[in-house]
Amino acid sequence: DIQMTQSPSSLSASVGDRVSITCRASQTINSYLNWYQQKSGKAPKLLIYAASTLQSGVPSRFSGSGSGTDFTLTISSLQPEDFASYYCQQSYNTPRTFGQGTKVEIK
Amino acid sequence: EVQLVESGGGLVQPGGSLRLSCAASGFTFSDYSMNWVRQAPGKGLEWVSYISSSSVSIYYADSVEGRFTISRDNAKNSLYLQMNSLRAEDTAVYYCARVTAATFSAFDIWGQGTMVTVSS
Repeated sequence: DIQMTQSPSSLSASVGDRVSITCRASQTINSYLNWYQQKSGKAPKLLIYAASTLQSGVPSRFSGSGSGTDFTLTISSLQPEDFASYYCQQSYNTPRTFGQGTKVEIK
Repeated sequence: EVQLVESGGGLVQPGGSLRLSCAASGFTFSDYSMNWVRQAPGKGLEWVSYISSSSVSIYYADSVEGRFTISRDNAKNSLYLQMNSLRAEDTAVYYCARVTAATFSAFDIWGQGTMVTVSS
């Protein structure tokens, strides 16, 4: 199975900050990397697929980069509604493994 | 509106069974592959099972292989998860999720989830 490792596990930031979350795969997954946002008590929401393609309706302050084994989710200017948990997921093969998550909290 | 609605969760004793359902609406269900994903209380997301649009391809996580069965009824726009021999570690919110039509196979539509609690 491909292991997905996110860092950090949590972070505290202020509104307006630039925030980056990294995700590393245990083997190459090309660009088969997706990012999800999950707010407390809600279902996950797809933000980015294919490492860098923004899902329809997702604000442009979210961006993704990387290929191979190392990936980054960046929020250019953190907004109040962005405080949530974020998960990466590989869709290169089965099982479709997720990272352990990164919780973005208010500083 | 594109929507997935899960049902069938509840409290069950260890060793018991439960059948989850996921009702799809607002899109052509038979065109899409589907998944079940679960989340234990306070934990991260865990992929559980996958079924292709025509049920030809089916996969399971090692943790549920041999105990859970995924199926679908395209005429009823419904996805199912039959869960047998349930264990305490199966306690989680269970989500159904649609696979995008795009090549990279992300999960683009999720249901609201249904809670399964395995406890005596």
